Amino acid sequence: DIQMTQSPSSLSASVGDRVTITCQASQDISNYLNWYQQKPGKAPKLLIYDASNLETGVPSRFSGSGSGTDFTFTISSLQPEDIATYYCQQYDNLPPPMYTFGQGTKLEIK
Amino acid sequence: QVQLQESGPGLVKPSETLSLTCAVSGYSISSGYYWGWIRQPPGKGLEWIGSIYHSGSTYYNPSLKSRVTISVDTSKNQFSLKLSSVTAADTAVYYCARLSQWLHLFDYWGQGTLVTVSS
Repeated sequence: DIQMTQSPSSLSASVGDRVTITCQASQDISNYLNWYQQKPGKAPKLLIYDASNLETGVPSRFSGSGSGTDFTFTISSLQPEDIATYYCQQYDNLPPPMYTFGQGTKLEIK
Repeated sequence: QVQLQESGPGLVKPSETLSLTCAVSGYSISSGYYWGWIRQPPGKGLEWIGSIYHSGSTYYNPSLKSRVTISVDTSKNQFSLKLSSVTAADTAVYYCARLSQWLHLFDYWGQGTLVTVSS
């Protein structure tokens, strides 16, 4: 099984700060890496797919990069409404297909 | 607009079977895409349970495979989850979601339903 290591587990930042979250896969997953935002009591929302593609309607301050085993999620200028937990999600194409989420990063305002 | 809605008992006794249904509106299950179940224990992260195609083709998380059955009813445009021999560790919010098999992402989610395993 492919293991995902997401860090940090929690993060405190100020409005306007640049925020970065990383996700590392235990083996090459190409660009099969997506990022979700989950606000308390709500379902996750897709933000970034295929490592770097912005989902329609998602603000451009969100971005993703990486391929292979190392991936980065960035908020260029933190806004109060960005307070949430963020998860990476990978796809393992070895049969049968398998989907794994990172442990999550809880983002708080300083 | 694609919408998903989970339904089922909020309380299940240990050793019994958890049963949930996901009703889909705004999109016909028979038109394509896979459909999946994901769960989240209180205060913890997300775990994919399994997915199904409208043809009935399924694949499951190996860690749960022995206890999981996912089925689809295209006439009602819904799919279902059964998880047998539940324990307190199966207490979680259960989400249903649409899975893009081309992009390998979950693009539409239900609001989630809390299932508590307790006697």
